[in-house]
Amino acid sequence: GAGVSQSPSNKVTEKGKDVELRCDPISGHTALYWYRQRLGQGLEFLIYFQGNSAPDKSGLPSDRFSAERTGESVSTLTIQRTQQEDSAVYLCASSLGPAHNEQFFGPGTRLTVL
Amino acid sequence: DQQVKQNSPSLSVQEGRISILNCDYTNSMFDYFLWYKKYPAEGPTFLISISSIKDKNEDGRFTVFLNKSAKHLSLHIVPSQPGDSAVYFCAATYSGNTGKLIFGQGTTLQVKP
Repeated sequence: GAGVSQSPSNKVTEKGKDVELRCDPISGHTALYWYRQRLGQGLEFLIYFQGNSAPDKSGLPSDRFSAERTGESVSTLTIQRTQQEDSAVYLCASSLGPAHNEQFFGPGTRLTVL
Repeated sequence: DQQVKQNSPSLSVQEGRISILNCDYTNSMFDYFLWYKKYPAEGPTFLISISSIKDKNEDGRFTVFLNKSAKHLSLHIVPSQPGDSAVYFCAATYSGNTGKLIFGQGTTLQVKP
C-alpha cells in the first residue's frame, strides 16, 4: 500500500512568484493535515481537512496561503507572492479521521524562496 | 507560545546504553501524546504514543513515561542502536480537537557504535 506522497520534492522559486504544492494522502484517510518545518524548528500546523472541507485553518500564516482538497483525495497548498520567510519544508499528513491520532506523513516538499 | 518544549536540542549516547529524551508541555487540555522519529529528507514516522489515562506505555525497546502533575513526558530507548540516530519529535493533542498535533522543536539523537 502506498503511503502519503508529495510533489515536488524540492522547489526553488523567486520572491513574488506563486507556488503550488501537492499531497496525495493514503487511500481511505478522510483527515488531511498540512504542517511546515522551518530550519531548526518543530513542525507547525497549517490547516486541517476533513473530507473536502477545512474546519481548521487557524495555522495559515497569512492570506497568501490557501489550500483545497478534492473529495477525500488530493490536496494542494498554494502560496501566492512568496517571501523568503516562506522557505521551509512543507509536510502533509493523513489519518483515518480526527479521532485517530496517529498521522502518517509524506516526505515533504522543500521550498526555497530566493 | 511554545506549548510543547524539548529543551535538549541534541543527545549523544553509546550503543547499548539507554537514551532518554524529554518533553514538557504547558497546556493541561492535552490528553494524548506521541513521539515521532525523523530521518533526513524523510517525513516523520510514528514511534509510540500514550494516553493521559496511563503513565507508561511500552513497545519493544521504546517506553514512554507520562507525569501529568509535572506536565512532562520522556521516551526511553533501551538498548540504543546506531540506527536509532535521528531527530525525535514529541507531539501532543487533545480530544475534541481537530486532531492537529502540536510539536516540540525536536531532539537530535546520535548513537555511537
